[in-house]
Amino acid sequence: GQQLNQSPQSMFIQEGEDVSMNCTSSSIFNTWLWYKQDPGEGPVLLIALYKAGELTSNGRLTAQFGITRKDSFLNISASIPSDVGIYFCAGQLLPSNTNAGKSTFGDGTTLTVKP
Amino acid sequence: DTGVSQNPRHKITKRGQNVTFRCDPISEHNRLYWYRQTLGQGPEFLTYFQNEAQLEKSRLLSDRFSAERPKGSFSTLEIQRTEQGDSAMYLCASSSPARTSTDTQYFGPGTRLTVL
Repeated sequence: GQQLNQSPQSMFIQEGEDVSMNCTSSSIFNTWLWYKQDPGEGPVLLIALYKAGELTSNGRLTAQFGITRKDSFLNISASIPSDVGIYFCAGQLLPSNTNAGKSTFGDGTTLTVKP
Repeated sequence: DTGVSQNPRHKITKRGQNVTFRCDPISEHNRLYWYRQTLGQGPEFLTYFQNEAQLEKSRLLSDRFSAERPKGSFSTLEIQRTEQGDSAMYLCASSSPARTSTDTQYFGPGTRLTVL
């Protein structure tokens, strides 16, 4: 099955710094999604990307869908303490595939922000 | 939209017991997904429904697991004869590809299962 490699595994940064994390796959995806998960809660959708090359922002967050369809990155600018959490990337296959809609997740990047 | 809700939020059970979890999707979302998440890992797909039809099941879903969505609204996930390896967070998500032309999934808060 598909594997998503998410890096880095963890990050420790100072408040105000910018953050970058990425996700790579050996397979092509039709959709890339970025989620944030707090302890004991479900993932919350941050950004969804639907076209290769697409660059989308949501406040201080910016994500891009790689041209090859096999990677995506997420940037967080001017980090604040509430950015702490685990960030997951997820990919979805082409709609014509029977696996359509099922998301394959990376193993997450744990972000710690020091005030 | 009130969001996806899941009950119970926590369940502690003894090995060998049966457990059942419930998921209420966002209203009018016709697709409903179940995922399992263990510590330090991302969610792993278990199964999904389009309306009341169960369209795909992962190999992770052993014979002890069964999921239903009888009226195309809420869904239940039952685990029979629980094992310690079943301890995990069970996440439900819903989507509405017919309405949004995408299959962007929105997750519930999860049910954390601990099997003693």
